[in-house]
Amino acid sequence: QKEVEQDPGPLSVPEGAIVSLNCTYSNSAFQYFMWYRQYSRKGPELLMYTYSSGNKEDGRFTAQVDKSSKYISLFIRDSQPSDSATYLCAMILASGGSYIPTFGRGTSLIVHP
Amino acid sequence: EAGVAQSPRYKIIEKRQSVAFWCNPISGHATLYWYQQILGQGPKLLIQFQNNGVVDDSQLPKDRFSAERLKGVDSTLKIQPAKLEDSAVYLCASTRRDQESDTQYFGPGTRLTVL
Repeated sequence: QKEVEQDPGPLSVPEGAIVSLNCTYSNSAFQYFMWYRQYSRKGPELLMYTYSSGNKEDGRFTAQVDKSSKYISLFIRDSQPSDSATYLCAMILASGGSYIPTFGRGTSLIVHP
Repeated sequence: EAGVAQSPRYKIIEKRQSVAFWCNPISGHATLYWYQQILGQGPKLLIQFQNNGVVDDSQLPKDRFSAERLKGVDSTLKIQPAKLEDSAVYLCASTRRDQESDTQYFGPGTRLTVL
C-alpha cells in the first residue's frame, strides 16, 4: 500500500461545476497537507496549504483535512476551463527538524466549456 | 524574482550512457529538492539539501544516481549509467528555508528519454 493514494482520473466536468478531488494516506505522522496544480509540461505550483483538521478557503478553492480518517479533499467552485490540469496532493512529514514531502500521483481534471 | 532554472529542458540518451542535470534555485533559498516524475505519477523525492548538506536521500538509487550542491547554491544531479526506467521528468524545487509552511517553487523540469 502506498503512503498516499490518489485516483488518477481523468475527471471530466462541465464549466461551472463544483469539483471534488481527494487523497487518502496511511502514515498518521504526516502533519502538513498541500495541494499543487500542474499544467502539462510545467512544474507543480502550490495552491493550498493546511496543517489542521477542518476547512481552509481561498477564493474558489477549499481544502479540507480529516486527520481521523486520514483523508484530504480539494473543492473547486465554479470550475473554469483554465482549471484543467493535474492536481497533486502532498503530505509533509516532520523528521529531525526537517520536512520531507510525499506526493500523490495526481488527478487529471478536464473542465469543458 | 527569477524562478528556479533548470537545464537542459530535454535530453535523449541511450541506456548505459551518463547524463547530468543542472538546477539553479531562487536566490536566497536554502533548501533544494530533486524529484523524479514518471509519466502518470506524482513527483518522487530523490534528494533534499539544506544549504550544501543532505537532509534526505533515502529514495536516491545511489548505485547510479549522485547529486551535489557545492557552495549551497546551484546543484547537479547525475545518472551513470542510465537505464530505460530512468525515463522521466526531473524536477528541481527550492524553498527559502526548511520549514513546512514554506512554498516549494518548482522549475520547469528536464525531460529525460532513455532509449
